[in-house]
Amino acid sequence: DAGVTQSPTHLIKTRGQQVTLRCSPKSGHDTVSWYQQALGQGPQFIFQYYEEEERQRGNFPDRFSGHQFPNYSSELNVNALLLGDSALYLCASSFGVNTGELFFGEGSRLTVL
Amino acid sequence: AQSVTQPDIHITVSEGASLELRCNYSYGATPYLFWYVQSPGQGLQLLLKYFSGDTLVQGIKGFEAEFKRSQSSFNLRKPSVHWSDAAEYFCAVGAWEYGNKLVFGAGTILRVKS
Repeated sequence: DAGVTQSPTHLIKTRGQQVTLRCSPKSGHDTVSWYQQALGQGPQFIFQYYEEEERQRGNFPDRFSGHQFPNYSSELNVNALLLGDSALYLCASSFGVNTGELFFGEGSRLTVL
Repeated sequence: AQSVTQPDIHITVSEGASLELRCNYSYGATPYLFWYVQSPGQGLQLLLKYFSGDTLVQGIKGFEAEFKRSQSSFNLRKPSVHWSDAAEYFCAVGAWEYGNKLVFGAGTILRVKS
């Protein structure tokens, strides 16, 4: 049973560029949430997708956007990258939007130079 | 405002000794409470969760936590620490009203000395 898989695992971008991160949820899960974890901090909620719609959003600017596909996989897009966007981006999946029990992937480490 | 405080940034214990990691929360709704563990370069693994009912919850790897509503705390405990427990531990709070939006503490790094 595959868990949550994310790609790429590491990537380096320069300021102003755009990045797309991908996530496949755990088998049987239909909801995907994205979190940003800056160095030395706990994860911060970015947004949650269910039924291909954004259902909840944290305190992140519109430069952060996402998408969920019919197979429940998801993408996180960040435009106009800033140095402060450097972080580990974690995808978490669940069955339903209110379970509260999340299964996390190993993350995508983004470095912005 | 919703917040989670983990007062200890680092804790060092000897292998075989007992462990308690502290967590305090401030949350407007009836909380769900979680402890996650993160090894270097890894994602988060759920250790245990509290939704309702018995305030002492058992988790994986021999961990337990106790929910104390009067103190707004959810401390994690283990009676005997193993070297493999060295990792970073995160307390998190959520609520049914907020879906899967969890608020995490800043984490406590556990070092185990032999």
